[in-house]
Amino acid sequence: AQSVTQLGSHVSVSEGALVLLRCNYSSSVPPYLFWYVQYPNQGLQLLLKYTSAATLVKGINDFEAEFKKSETSFHLTKPSAHMSDAAEYFCAVKWGPAKLIFGAGTRLAVHP
Amino acid sequence: ETGVTQSPTHLIKTRGQQVTLRCSSQSGHNTVSWYQQALGQGPQFIFQYYREEENGRGNFPPRFSGLQFPNYSSELNVNALELDDSALYLCASSSEDRGYYGYTFGSGTRLTVV
Repeated sequence: AQSVTQLGSHVSVSEGALVLLRCNYSSSVPPYLFWYVQYPNQGLQLLLKYTSAATLVKGINDFEAEFKKSETSFHLTKPSAHMSDAAEYFCAVKWGPAKLIFGAGTRLAVHP
Repeated sequence: ETGVTQSPTHLIKTRGQQVTLRCSSQSGHNTVSWYQQALGQGPQFIFQYYREEENGRGNFPPRFSGLQFPNYSSELNVNALELDDSALYLCASSSEDRGYYGYTFGSGTRLTVV
């Protein structure tokens, strides 16, 4: 069965520092992969998705992620953190025709 | 282009009661999925509807049921509510057969069972 592992339930960075949120998936076939962001008391907003095209995927708000098949990873990065990036981030993999399997989430804190 | 809208935003129910949550999918999307997100956890897949038929189901009991209507809107019904059903319920729409492989989520319905 598919699974998604997000390393680090909490990540804290300084404003202006690099953001790196880690995601590993288990899959025997090329997956569709997603990163979502969730602000308090809100739904999920799609940051970016990988659908078997370019391995480096650019998303909104300067986020990007690189699909590495050999490492079964899809880590999310942003060169310079803003205070507004503080939120919960979820990595997800599409499994079969219907469902997304989500990781447990990583809470990003950005401090001045 | 309207996004995914869910109603109500908050709901308090008593254990044993029944609840209906509603979702209007994004314009042009024909597939609706429902997820349960317990506090501090990632969303868990409940089921998906495509062209008014259930198209996949997660590990949830039969008291969780759904409908999709011809306009692609959807309902999630939960019978015999339990305390553990307290969660944020998220609806997501998509349209893979039209080349859209992302899922657009609504803001959710926060259900509290007391």
